[in-house]
Amino acid sequence: AQRVTQPEKLLSVFKGAPVELKCNYSYSGSPELFWYVQYSRQRLQLLLRHISRESIKGFTADLNKGETSFHLKKPFAQEEDSAMYYCALGRAKIIFGKGTRLHILP
Amino acid sequence: DTGVSQDPRHKITKRGQNVTFRCDPISEHNRLYWYRQTLGQGPEFLTYFQNEAQLEKSRLLSDRFSAERPKGSFSTLEIQRTEQGDSAMYLCASSTGTGGAGNTIYFGEGSWLTVV
Repeated sequence: AQRVTQPEKLLSVFKGAPVELKCNYSYSGSPELFWYVQYSRQRLQLLLRHISRESIKGFTADLNKGETSFHLKKPFAQEEDSAMYYCALGRAKIIFGKGTRLHILP
Repeated sequence: DTGVSQDPRHKITKRGQNVTFRCDPISEHNRLYWYRQTLGQGPEFLTYFQNEAQLEKSRLLSDRFSAERPKGSFSTLEIQRTEQGDSAMYLCASSTGTGGAGNTIYFGEGSWLTVV
């Protein structure tokens, strides 16, 4: 069965500190993995995809097939990073985790 | 192209009434998705279409829910005999379904349903 687990509902980090948002998954086969972000009063939008292997707004995520994880990382948090972050996976059918609220403290 | 659009943005209805939401996907996107989101939860998959074909429905989608995409363009989601537990944000999303970025989905702003 497909499943996405984001163990933290809330993560508070000081500005300038490193950020790591955890995502674990279960899937039969080779899924695509995504991170989506929702800023206050905005629609859900794609942050990054694992197959792109790119850095967006300083965020990166590495797919670890052995640990079935796709954690999102940023070395130095900025106040504008405060948002809801959702890990997602799938091929045609895309499912989402419950999300982690990232709160950057000044 | 302004992205995925949904209508209405907000709907308040009395329990037992029927409601219908409309979604217009990004032009030429073959796949269209419906999700439900409640406070503190992530988007829960309801159903998706490849062109006009409905390919999968979640068990969350009871008999009171029906979704259509008759011409492979816009889609409607109807909820019959609404219940208070149906109160949620209903999100529509679309993707090309082809190419390297074919599984990347783009969301609308959602339709808020409040059942009183």
